[in-house]
Amino acid sequence: EIVLTQSPATLSLSPGDTATLSCRASQTVSYKLGWYQQKPGQAPRLLIYDAVYRASGVPARFSGTGSATDFTLTISNLEAEDFALYFCQQRSDWPFTFGPGTTVDIK
Amino acid sequence: HVQLQESGPGLVKPSETLSLTCRVSGDSITNYHWTWIRQTPDKRLEWIAYISHTGLTNYSPSLKSRVTISVDTSNNQFSLRLASMTVADTAVYYCARYDSVTTLYFDQWGQGAVVTVSA
Repeated sequence: EIVLTQSPATLSLSPGDTATLSCRASQTVSYKLGWYQQKPGQAPRLLIYDAVYRASGVPARFSGTGSATDFTLTISNLEAEDFALYFCQQRSDWPFTFGPGTTVDIK
Repeated sequence: HVQLQESGPGLVKPSETLSLTCRVSGDSITNYHWTWIRQTPDKRLEWIAYISHTGLTNYSPSLKSRVTISVDTSNNQFSLRLASMTVADTAVYYCARYDSVTTLYFDQWGQGAVVTVSA
């Protein structure tokens, strides 16, 4: 099973800042990594798929980079609605697995 | 716009079997693949099971001995059964669509069903 680790666990920032979230895989997943956002009381929402592609309706301030084992989600010019929990997920091999999440909270 | 809605008991006793159903509206269930994912109280997400529109299934190795996923095309819904429930199975259970056409990720989710295992 491919294990995903995310860092940091918590990121405390202010509106207008840039958030940089990291996801590392225990073995290469090629480009097959996605990112989800979850707000309290809601289901996760797909933001980025296959490392770099924004899902439908996702603002351009969200961007993804990376390949193999190291991936980054960048959120530029943080808005109030972006403070949430973020997960990465790999689809390179079954079982599909998720990282433990990074919380972006207001400083 | 596709919508998913989970239904099932909120409370299950240890050793019992959990049965959840996910009703799909806004699209035919035969157009995509479907999955169950759970989120434990520590917020960790765990993929449980997957079923294609043709009935091909795949299960998490850690749960495979206890889980069954099935699809009911006539009612546009799919279901999960998880046997021998324990306290460790307490979680929010989400049904989700696996977008086998474009993204190849879980692109639509239900609101989640809270399941507590307790005597």
